[in-house]
Amino acid sequence: DQQVKQNSPSLSVQEGRISILNCDYTNSMFDYFLWYKKYPAEGPTFLISISSIKDKNEDGRFTVFLNKSAKHLSLHIVPSQPGDSAVYFCAASGDSGGSNYKLTFGKGTLLTVNP
Amino acid sequence: DAGVIQSPRHEVTEMGQEVTLRCKPISGHNSLFWYRQTMMRGLELLIYFNNNVPIDDSGMPEDRFSAKMPNASFSTLKIQPSEPRDSAVYFCASSPREGLTGELFFGEGSRLTVL
Repeated sequence: DQQVKQNSPSLSVQEGRISILNCDYTNSMFDYFLWYKKYPAEGPTFLISISSIKDKNEDGRFTVFLNKSAKHLSLHIVPSQPGDSAVYFCAASGDSGGSNYKLTFGKGTLLTVNP
Repeated sequence: DAGVIQSPRHEVTEMGQEVTLRCKPISGHNSLFWYRQTMMRGLELLIYFNNNVPIDDSGMPEDRFSAKMPNASFSTLKIQPSEPRDSAVYFCASSPREGLTGELFFGEGSRLTVL
């Protein structure tokens, strides 16, 4: 049973527009959320994170929003650039008992930014 | 600085053969993770080491899988005997602290094909 769901396998946007990637989770114990970006033939790289005590975190063109009541988070990329084309993974942690080490990943969303 | 280094990048083997995947974490990182990525299940945590000690191996699918970390700079994931359903991309990741209060640093992965 998937605890972190990315329901859109793919998303296509025009360069300069906003990209919105969505993620839902079911485990109310999750308290820390991360987004990773993955290019083909490379490992995932960390993009941005948010703690459950916040509802927004911003880093340059990337903003993550967290809605705890809806168990939903989203990643906004503004403006989108062709180099942003990659698979984006949502991940969550916080249900590992005493040590907060286990990341649960969604299956990813392939973002394509068209020039 | 060198990132997480994995070898081999690609491995093609026949069913029943032993497979050994290798990982060198980032120097100074004391947490190491092995993940497996498949189309069906996405990214799954197989095993987590902290200070060279296996902390959680509940994700290791079967007794055919084993992992070791003899020192802080080297880890192996072994599959013996290998089966076609083990075909996947195996990622090693490291983190500079116990638990997970920040991001993981992933290697480029080892793509395993078992015929």
